[in-house]
Amino acid sequence: DGGITQSPKYLFRKEGQNVTLSCEQNLNHDAMYWYRQDPGQGLRLIYYSQIVNDFQKGDIAEGYSVSREKKESFPLTVTSAQKNPTAFYLCASSMPHQETQYFGPGTRLLVL
Amino acid sequence: EDQVTQSPEALRLQEGESSSLNCSYTVSGLRGLFWYRQDPGKGPEFLFTLYSAGEEKEKERLKATLTKKESFLHITAPKPEDSATYLCAVQIRGSQGNLIFGKGTKLSVKP
Repeated sequence: DGGITQSPKYLFRKEGQNVTLSCEQNLNHDAMYWYRQDPGQGLRLIYYSQIVNDFQKGDIAEGYSVSREKKESFPLTVTSAQKNPTAFYLCASSMPHQETQYFGPGTRLLVL
Repeated sequence: EDQVTQSPEALRLQEGESSSLNCSYTVSGLRGLFWYRQDPGKGPEFLFTLYSAGEEKEKERLKATLTKKESFLHITAPKPEDSATYLCAVQIRGSQGNLIFGKGTKLSVKP
């Protein structure tokens, strides 16, 4: 079955800790994206990557970092510099030269 | 500034009561408009893509339409299982593909 997987489903972060959210896809999509969703707000773009070993900042990149070493994987690290990390994080991917983005099931990050 | 506004924020319908959700947009140049359905605690599920004014797409009880300023998602004879949050997003011409989302419309359909 082709699709996008995100893990873990729930993640707890302690003060000053960096945590990494996983996103894997087997759809052979070139482009991958990370969004953050807060209650009452639209999805906001954190980072995106059009090809391996290249990525760009989105609208709210401060306090986050990413890597794209493999086509299938686009992990997101929430650093200690992100002061308000509690949110629902969504990963998406799309075919090259196609606009439609397909989303994973999401990771909910909570602060202890 | 590119902007997407969805209305209403919430909509309650009785089963079988048809209605429409609105997505208005102000963008420098539209490449595509997207509708997604999102259930609580889940990722958005793709419904439709519209590219040009006058275009319409249908899927079961849902029909999406597009004008130069807004899109409508029409729901005909809804059922309780249609209850979800419906998200609208636009892609700007010349961008690298990222989407600008509205805040969504939460639809509740009562039996």
